[in-house]
Amino acid sequence: QKEVEQNSGPLSVPEGAIASLNCTYSDRGSQSFFWYRQYSGKSPELIMFIYSNGDKEDGRFTAQLNKASQYVSLLIRDSQPSDSATYLCAVKEDSSASKIIFGSGTRLSIRP
Amino acid sequence: ETGVTQSPTHLIKTRGQQVTLRCSSQSGHNTVSWYQQALGQGPQFIFQYYREEENGRGNFPPRFSGLQFPNYSSELNVNALELDDSALYLCASSQGPLSQDTEAFFGQGTRLTVV
Repeated sequence: QKEVEQNSGPLSVPEGAIASLNCTYSDRGSQSFFWYRQYSGKSPELIMFIYSNGDKEDGRFTAQLNKASQYVSLLIRDSQPSDSATYLCAVKEDSSASKIIFGSGTRLSIRP
Repeated sequence: ETGVTQSPTHLIKTRGQQVTLRCSSQSGHNTVSWYQQALGQGPQFIFQYYREEENGRGNFPPRFSGLQFPNYSSELNVNALELDDSALYLCASSQGPLSQDTEAFFGQGTRLTVV
């Protein structure tokens, strides 16, 4: 069973600090990795995707991928109360054109 | 707004009944994927339709079935509803099956409650 693991949280971070969200995956052949944000009662929205080892930055968000360790993370700089949400890590199976496996999400709370 | 619309937004059904959920994909998108999200869990892949054909299926029983129409809208049908089918059902549309350059956009979901 291919899995994506996340700490469920809640992760509480003071406003303005860096929030660090982590994810591990079991399928060593996975090639594509996604971070989605989901507000309570809403549908997931894509924040970032990453395919290559290393860092990828987009505004306040940085995704980090280490395929050797099967580890992907998301850093949120200058955290804002509006960043409070559940963050879903998702991995695309290499062997399938269609299936994305989601983790159960980490609940992030930014305290003012 | 993602341009992906789902109907209905909420639904209550009785155990054993059948339900049909609908999804209109974003303009220009030919691929729809369906997910089930139980409370406190991540979305679980049910299946994907690409150009009216099923293109991959997750670990769901045959009573979960689907269709995609020529305009690329899609339906998810669930027969013999069970209490554990209570969840948020999400559809995501994309321009082609997901690849490195393809982004999927989610609809707002249908909240199904089975009593």
